[in-house]
Amino acid sequence: GENVEQHPSTLSVQEGDSAVIKCTYSDSASNYFPWYKQELGKRPQLIIDIRSNVGEKKDQRIAVTLNKTAKHFSLHITETQPEDSAVYFCAARADRGSTLGRLYFGRGTQLTVWP
Amino acid sequence: GAGVSQSPRYKVAKRGQDVALRCDPISGHVSLFWYQQALGQGPEFLTYFQNEAQLDKSGLPSDRFFAERPEGSVSTLKIQRTQQEDSAVYLCASSFTGSMGPQHFGDGTRLSIL
Repeated sequence: GENVEQHPSTLSVQEGDSAVIKCTYSDSASNYFPWYKQELGKRPQLIIDIRSNVGEKKDQRIAVTLNKTAKHFSLHITETQPEDSAVYFCAARADRGSTLGRLYFGRGTQLTVWP
Repeated sequence: GAGVSQSPRYKVAKRGQDVALRCDPISGHVSLFWYQQALGQGPEFLTYFQNEAQLDKSGLPSDRFFAERPEGSVSTLKIQRTQQEDSAVYLCASSFTGSMGPQHFGDGTRLSIL
C-alpha cells in the first residue's frame, strides 16, 4: 500500500518567517494530495489540496508544490502568524483501484509560530 | 448541517464493554469514511461507505469492529469487547462527490478504555 513520510516532525519559526513542510509518497498511482491543519482537540481542517495534473497551487499565504517524478510534495506558509500554530498533516490518495477513496496520512508536523 | 457531527465527543468504557460511535455527515454527502487516530499520529483508514454500501472495510483492525450506514446517511461504528489498544480518537469524514472529492472531518470521538 501507500506510504507517506512527512518531515520535519516539529518546526518552530518566528512570526513573519516562512515555514516549509515536506512529504514523500511511494505509490505512483496516488494523484490527489490534501493538507490538513489540526488544532489541539479539534477536527482536521482541509486547508489546500492539489491534483497530480497540477505542479503548484496557491491560496493567499499558503502554497503547495508537487513533483510527480520525485514523488514529493510540500506545503509552504509565508508570513506566518501565531494562529498558524497547529499540527499539519499531508495525505495522499489514489482515485482508482482497490484503495479508492482512502487517504494515507503522514505522521504530522507540529508547527509553532513565536510572536 | 454545517459540518460533520460526531457523538459522543468523549467515551470512557471498561475493557470488555461494547461501544457505539455515531457520525452525522454533511447533508447530501454520498461518501463516508471512518479513521482512527492514535495519540501523536496521523489518521488511519478504517472503512468507507458510498451511500449505504460499505465498499471497503479492509482497514478495520479486527472482527470486533463493525460499521454500518443503513439508510445512506448516519453511520455507526461499533466496537465489541473493547481492549485498551482501542483507545484513540475515531474520526468520521464525508465527501459530496464520492470517493474522489475532498473529505471533511468531524471533531471525532475520543475513546478511552480503562
